[in-house]
Amino acid sequence: GDSVTQMEGPVTLSEEAFLTINCTYTATGYPSLFWYVQYPGEGLQLLLKATKADDKGSNKGFEATYRKETTSFHLEKGSVQVSDSAVYFCALITGGFKTIFGAGTRLFVKA
Amino acid sequence: GAVVSQHPSWVICKSGTSVKIECRSLDFQATTMFWYRQFPKQSLMLMATSNEGSKATYEQGVEKDKFLINHASLTLSTLTVTSAHPEDSSFYICSAKGETDFLSNQPQHFGDGTRLSIL
Repeated sequence: GDSVTQMEGPVTLSEEAFLTINCTYTATGYPSLFWYVQYPGEGLQLLLKATKADDKGSNKGFEATYRKETTSFHLEKGSVQVSDSAVYFCALITGGFKTIFGAGTRLFVKA
Repeated sequence: GAVVSQHPSWVICKSGTSVKIECRSLDFQATTMFWYRQFPKQSLMLMATSNEGSKATYEQGVEKDKFLINHASLTLSTLTVTSAHPEDSSFYICSAKGETDFLSNQPQHFGDGTRLSIL
């Protein structure tokens, strides 16, 4: 079945460091791919999305490129801030219905 | 646009009581709503999916008599945890999709979650 695998956390970085959170997927058909962010005590917010191969989603300095050949959708940010500390979920939808979530990666950014 | 409001955000109650959580779509018609449970430091676990006017479809292992879901209108779904016990304590999150969201793999719209603590 469809699945999403993302790197285990926690990831701890210093402010202004470069961030990569790896995400790979398995899906039949042509999924849409998403990154969600969850701040402490809150629900999920859509961070960015890509709906077809080679699309790049971007928002708030975060980017991810839909790589069909490697079935990946890695999240990157050039310079993280303390306020980016959160849990990040990679997800996919295929066939328009359920969202399949990865396990989540917790990011801690130190000042 | 596409705002989902969940209420209450935090509830503490005694063991044995029933707790109702509301999930409302504020600016769109939610043909389908999803209820998730999240344990500390874990991912979201889908509990059930409900379509307006129909019975909810529960995921394997979720007790439907324990977690009653009602989706009576296109803007409101409720989750009632019946006879709650400490093991039901968790973070519950709802999300919703409108009819057009399914046509193009659009993302779900999430509420802010409800932290339920049973004493």
